Amino acid sequence: KAGVTQTPRYLIKTRGQQVTLSCSPISGHRSVSWYQQTPGQGLQFLFEYFSETQRNKGNFPGRFSGRQFSNSRSEMNVSTLELGDSALYLCASSLGALSITDTQYFGPGTRLTVL
Amino acid sequence: GENVEQHPSTLSVQEGDSAVIKCTYSDSASNYFPWYKQELGKRPQLIIDIRSNVGEKKDQRIAVTLNKTAKHFSLHITETQPEDSAVYFCAAKGGTGNQFYFGTGTSLTVIP
Repeated sequence: KAGVTQTPRYLIKTRGQQVTLSCSPISGHRSVSWYQQTPGQGLQFLFEYFSETQRNKGNFPGRFSGRQFSNSRSEMNVSTLELGDSALYLCASSLGALSITDTQYFGPGTRLTVL
Repeated sequence: GENVEQHPSTLSVQEGDSAVIKCTYSDSASNYFPWYKQELGKRPQLIIDIRSNVGEKKDQRIAVTLNKTAKHFSLHITETQPEDSAVYFCAAKGGTGNQFYFGTGTSLTVIP
């Protein structure tokens, strides 16, 4: 079974631009979560999508948004980029069931650099 | 919401020694605690997990213990090897929103 994939793997943007990142979950997984990873800050939760609906949301400004398609693929958008948005953006997929051991599996990440 | 604290942030051990990483959580409703290993430039990979109805779980050289009363859980790596060098993240799930809450990571270096 193929793992979680993310595209693109690397992005360089300038301040004020917007960016869209894509995540394809493991086949059969219906939940996709997005995280921002920066040195010293660990994994900061952005949001989770399940069956095309945002199920959970972290404490990020409205410039960060996402969506999920009927095939469970998800996109994340960041508008009006700031230097502080430079980070590794990871998505993780899971079955989405409310069982205790519904484990997340991570994609390789998209490295975003804002100049 | 849930708050997961992880210590230490960095850890260096000699090859063959043991390493212990500790996490605490705040939400007593959390009931699932996975640990991830992230090697440099790679994605986090699940290495072991534990449910709240279990006190300890082992898988070869790694083990996780959970103390529900004290709300803390720990990762134990025995007979460390250089390939154990990585960043380790703990997480808690099952509380508000049933989402994952991650610790800030521990950078483990195993010195040959």
